[in-house]
Order: sequence, then C-alpha cells, then structure tokens
Amino acid sequence: QLQLQESGPGLVKPSETLSLTCTVSGGSISSSSYYWGWIRQPPGKGLEWIGSIYYSGSTYYNPSLKSRVTISVDTSKNQFSLKLSSVTAADTAVYYCARWLLPKNYFDYWGQGTLVTVSS
Amino acid sequence: DIQMTQSPSSLSASVGDRVTITCQASQDISNYLNWYQQKPGKAPKLLIYDASNLETGVPSRFSGSGSGTDFTFTISSLQPEDIATYYCQQYDNQLTFGGGTKVEIK
Repeated sequence: QLQLQESGPGLVKPSETLSLTCTVSGGSISSSSYYWGWIRQPPGKGLEWIGSIYYSGSTYYNPSLKSRVTISVDTSKNQFSLKLSSVTAADTAVYYCARWLLPKNYFDYWGQGTLVTVSS
Repeated sequence: DIQMTQSPSSLSASVGDRVTITCQASQDISNYLNWYQQKPGKAPKLLIYDASNLETGVPSRFSGSGSGTDFTFTISSLQPEDIATYYCQQYDNQLTFGGGTKVEIK
C-alpha cells in the first residue's frame, strides 16, 4: 500500500524558509504515471494547491506562490521536497503531499499532513 | 487564473435528505473537475473525477454532473458518516480548489 509521509520543522520564523520533505513508501516515485504535489490548508480554511513535480524534475507552480516556491525530487531516496521562502504568518497551515494520478488526473493518495506554524 | 466558486459554504440537513452543492468555474473547464471529501483532521479523499465518474469503492449515493462552467455534486440520501467538508477542484489550467462546503446534520 502506497504511503506518503511529510516531515520537517513545525515552527518557522517569519522571513525564513519553510522546508518540508515527503517520503514515498510502498511504490516508486520514478513512474511516468504520476505527478507529486504539495497542497496546504490554513487552520479552518480551504485547500490551496502549491505546486507539483514529475520524477524527471519538471515542475509547475501556483502562480500566486511561484516567486517563493521551489519543489525538487530525489529519486534515489524516493522523496520530493518543498521550499517556501520569505514566510509570514499567512503561510501557517497544514501542508499535505499527495500523488497525482495520470492520465485520470486527480490526487489519489495523500499524506496525513503536517502543521507548520510561522511565528517568532 | 481559473476561480472556482462553491455554494453554499455550509449547509445543515437531516439524515436521508438529498444534498446538492454547486461549483462554478470562472471559465470553461470542460469536464476537468474533481470532487473531494474531507473529514476533520484528515486528508481529502477523492469521490468523483471528470465531473461525473464515481471513484471505485465510493458509495453510489454520491454523484456529480455538469460541464463547461457549472457543476453539481449530490448526496442522494445523507448519512451520518457523510458529515464532512466537500471541495471541487479543476485541472483544466493549473489546479484550483473551490472554497469548500461544510455539511452538517440537522
């Protein structure tokens, strides 16, 4: 059974860079059938797609976050990562990683999510 | 950017009621629309893909319809376990989620 697990600091200071890693187990990240994505959800609010990456390294990002986001993949470790720079309190959220299934085009597996709080 | 407007933002209904949620896209997205269910403290779960296709294992009381800019999600007979927030999501151009509809039992 495929599992995704987010990891990283739960507290980040304003203006610093948020860094999270998603470890994929039970399946290979190096498949042409999937993209891998990050989605976030501020407390009590809705879902916001951050960006997605293909195993080859091809990325696409939410235009509203693009200037601050970098998503990368490490196929040797079966992981992909998120970096969000210059964070503010507005970036406080539960961050989810998820698998996007091709060609059906939906997120079919999700991590449990990790809360990242931006505060000094 | 494509905006997705969901309504209502919340609703309260009785067990057995028919529940309908709408999602409107700011431009034509064909049928490139999915519906997810999210229970408190949990990750979202796919229910409907391509506007009207029921995901394997999802109860048949859930259904979706629509194309272009207007979409509908229906629970034909609300059950206690359906208490959740429901989100539409388009994938015609980048990915965008609707604001969500919180469904409660009256």
